[in-house]
Amino acid sequence: RKEVEQDPGPFNVPEGATVAFNCTYSNSASQSFFWYRQDCRKEPKLLMSVYSSGNEDGRFTAQLNRASQYISLLIRDSKLSDSATYLCVVNRNYQLIWGAGTKLIIKP
Amino acid sequence: GAVVSQHPSRVICKSGTSVKIECRSLDFQATTMFWYRQFPKQSLMLMATSNEGSKATYEQGVEKDKFLINHASLTLSTLTVTSAHPEDSSFYICSAIEGRTNTEAFFGQGTRLTVV
Repeated sequence: RKEVEQDPGPFNVPEGATVAFNCTYSNSASQSFFWYRQDCRKEPKLLMSVYSSGNEDGRFTAQLNRASQYISLLIRDSKLSDSATYLCVVNRNYQLIWGAGTKLIIKP
Repeated sequence: GAVVSQHPSRVICKSGTSVKIECRSLDFQATTMFWYRQFPKQSLMLMATSNEGSKATYEQGVEKDKFLINHASLTLSTLTVTSAHPEDSSFYICSAIEGRTNTEAFFGQGTRLTVV
């Protein structure tokens, strides 16, 4: 079993829909958590850090449940420009552990 | 945000030659740098983790004698692909974290290596 697991995808959703990404991690010693976005043939870019209290940035909401070792990302009112691969990342003792990513395709 | 500069962005080399890729943190001191490889339509694969002043830790299946990593200073890490073969053609990306107060990872722009 991988240390960080994400939905396999791809997700094909219509523009304007709400999309939810799920991620689980197996090591309870994990310390910090992030969502990254990667466009085709580009380097990943940080989308948001994830905090236990939950955090929101515009249309994006991230949640962390340490007890369940579960991380989520919600995108509301999805745009065509949201099409990308979304990567869940866990930091454990400064080792970044990456999920395989979930590809999102927004259709007009 | 912090900037990580990776150079070159593209390189084409002949089979059997060596290629060096540089990764620099421009406005912060990177205690840890990571090197990744990404084949088309696949996820990032961690190759190795390097801490300044110490030997890199390689992931299983990555040949340390083929992929030489040097992290001699807090702002520079290099990856040298030795005796490159066509199967080494890939997208190589570095990332760096400051580590002491900030665990956010900043990425270089990536290097597309083509071995002919």
